[in-house]
Amino acid sequence: SQTIHQWPATLVQPVGSPLSLECTVEGTSNPNLYWYRQAAGRGLQLLFYSVGIGQISSEVPQNLSASRPQDRQFILSSKKLLLSDSGFYLCAWSVLGEWGYTFGSGTRLTVV
Amino acid sequence: SQQGEEDPQALSIQEGENATMNCSYKTSINNLQWYRQNSGRGLVHLILIRSNEREKHSGRLRVTLDTSKKSSSLLITASRAADTASYFCATDFYNAGNNRKLIWGLGTSLAVNP
Repeated sequence: SQTIHQWPATLVQPVGSPLSLECTVEGTSNPNLYWYRQAAGRGLQLLFYSVGIGQISSEVPQNLSASRPQDRQFILSSKKLLLSDSGFYLCAWSVLGEWGYTFGSGTRLTVV
Repeated sequence: SQQGEEDPQALSIQEGENATMNCSYKTSINNLQWYRQNSGRGLVHLILIRSNEREKHSGRLRVTLDTSKKSSSLLITASRAADTASYFCATDFYNAGNNRKLIWGLGTSLAVNP
């Protein structure tokens, strides 16, 4: 069956520290992968999406980057976190967007 | 900019009542999707309705789509306390650059009181 794993569930990091959030998908090949951020009480903001290995599209300029080293692995990174990077980060996958998106359980990041 | 907008922002009802949430959007779409999010969790896909469909059902959920009014509604019948969550609509469309996009609304917070 198709599943998506995202970790860690919560993370508290100091300002200026690096970040690496990982997302892996099982049970599907060549999915479209997405990183979203959700501010408290708000909708989702698309950060990055990838249609294949090494192919990353950035939706908004920011302090973050993404990489897709393997077909079913998507990584969100930062070299130096800012306070404004705090939020709820969600990884998702879809197949051409035709059947909806499947989301991971999210990572609550607090930058202190 | 293209955006799904849900209303109401918050809804509080008693168990057993029906809950109706609405979503409006601005441009032509490929499909419209509804998701549920329990507090602090990821989103769960509920229903996808295509632009050539007018109504879909899934258990106690009923979604309608009116492309002439650019709006959709999600009806939850015979609500339960477990339906308490935030509900989001998302519109799938091609932008001016012919890139496929998914735009999210800000959600409706539903509270079902026992």
